Amino acid sequence: DAKTTQPTSMDCAEGRAANLPCNHSTISGNEYVYWYRQIHSQGPQYIIHGLKNNETNEMASLIITEDRKSSTLILPHATLRDTAVYYCIVYSGNTGKLIFGQGTTLQVKP
Amino acid sequence: SQTIHQWPATLVQPVGSPLSLECTVEGTSNPNLYWYRQAAGRGLQLLFYSVGIGQISSEVPQNLSASRPQDRQFILSSKKLLLSDSGFYLCAWIRKSSYEQYFGPGTRLTVT
Repeated sequence: DAKTTQPTSMDCAEGRAANLPCNHSTISGNEYVYWYRQIHSQGPQYIIHGLKNNETNEMASLIITEDRKSSTLILPHATLRDTAVYYCIVYSGNTGKLIFGQGTTLQVKP
Repeated sequence: SQTIHQWPATLVQPVGSPLSLECTVEGTSNPNLYWYRQAAGRGLQLLFYSVGIGQISSEVPQNLSASRPQDRQFILSSKKLLLSDSGFYLCAWIRKSSYEQYFGPGTRLTVT
């Protein structure tokens, strides 16, 4: 199972883009990259997922490198409410296993 | 719409007592189901997952067990709770066809 590596913490100024990196160098060809976030005392919230191509939705953009060994989650205009722990996860439909890493604590500052 | 139910929302149980947490899913069939635990200030620990009825995979050997008696029902149990079982228990499911993922609201368990 592919594992992910993320920085422990990051800061971002309010209104600026937040770029959260994730390394998944052992990812397999059929494994997806998912991003979640968890705000204190709540369950994880799905943000976005992708396989090979870059993806964008109303919350964020996901940039996956061509070799798929790393990705970046982009919050285009961070707000104070985006302060949370962000998890990057690799998921395989073959095994069904879904393991979270330690995540990145993003602190958005005014 | 897709919905996932967990109950109870909070629970306080004495050490040595039994536990049963239930998770049910609506709006899909044959999902993958998951139980996670989060201790205070820690990350999410995968406990069990199931890819079908009666199929349970355990990630952490401990005094907990899981069962999937119906397609959209996932139960977490313990015969005797330990203090270390305290935490936030989350159920999640994945739609196999589209890989959509959803988490339940969670159960906060305190073992005293």
